Amino acid sequence: TQLLEQSPQFLSIQEGENLTVYCNSSSVFSSLQWYRQEPGEGPVLLVTVVTGGEVKKLKRLTFQFGDARKDSSLHITAAQPGDTGLYLCAGASGGSYIPTFGRGTSLIVHP
Amino acid sequence: DTAVSQTPKYLVTQMGNDKSIKCEQNLGHDTMYWYKQDSKKFLKIMFSYNNKELIINETVPNRFSPKSPDKAHLNLHINSLELGDSAVYFCASSQLAGGAVPYEQYFGPGTRLTVT
Repeated sequence: TQLLEQSPQFLSIQEGENLTVYCNSSSVFSSLQWYRQEPGEGPVLLVTVVTGGEVKKLKRLTFQFGDARKDSSLHITAAQPGDTGLYLCAGASGGSYIPTFGRGTSLIVHP
Repeated sequence: DTAVSQTPKYLVTQMGNDKSIKCEQNLGHDTMYWYKQDSKKFLKIMFSYNNKELIINETVPNRFSPKSPDKAHLNLHINSLELGDSAVYFCASSQLAGGAVPYEQYFGPGTRLTVT
């Protein structure tokens, strides 16, 4: 079983602050996805990264895939209350198209 | 238009009962999934269907039986419910799975099952 460890588990910050969420594993992944889940809803895909060292930007969100494809980070600049939610990373490898999910980082951004 | 819908949204029932959760997607996808999210928010795959055929069946009790009458529907029937079955169950769909990179999965809003 490939484990994805996410840190921190919980994060409570003020509007305007920057933050970084981490997703780490001892396994190599062929691809890694980040999802955001809002309370009472299902997860929604934010990004998929497939190349080691790849950096993708989505407005104030910056995603990076580690060079060795074992880890990833999500950086949010100037967080807003609308960023509140559970951030899940999910990795796939070994020819499996079904990603394994991490346990998530719960983010609260206070106005 | 709801892409992936699930019914019911909430389900409260007693131990030993049998219940079903229905899922429908109108995205034209070929692959559908069932996930279980526990109280600690851990999301775990239970089943995956490609074109109505079961392709993944993770280690779940055989009290759980998925049924896909057509590729737009994937229902989950649970027999003899137990306290530990309490969780949020998510249905999802994606394009035909099988490539090296997972396609985007579209999740339903979830069904919160409480077994008392």
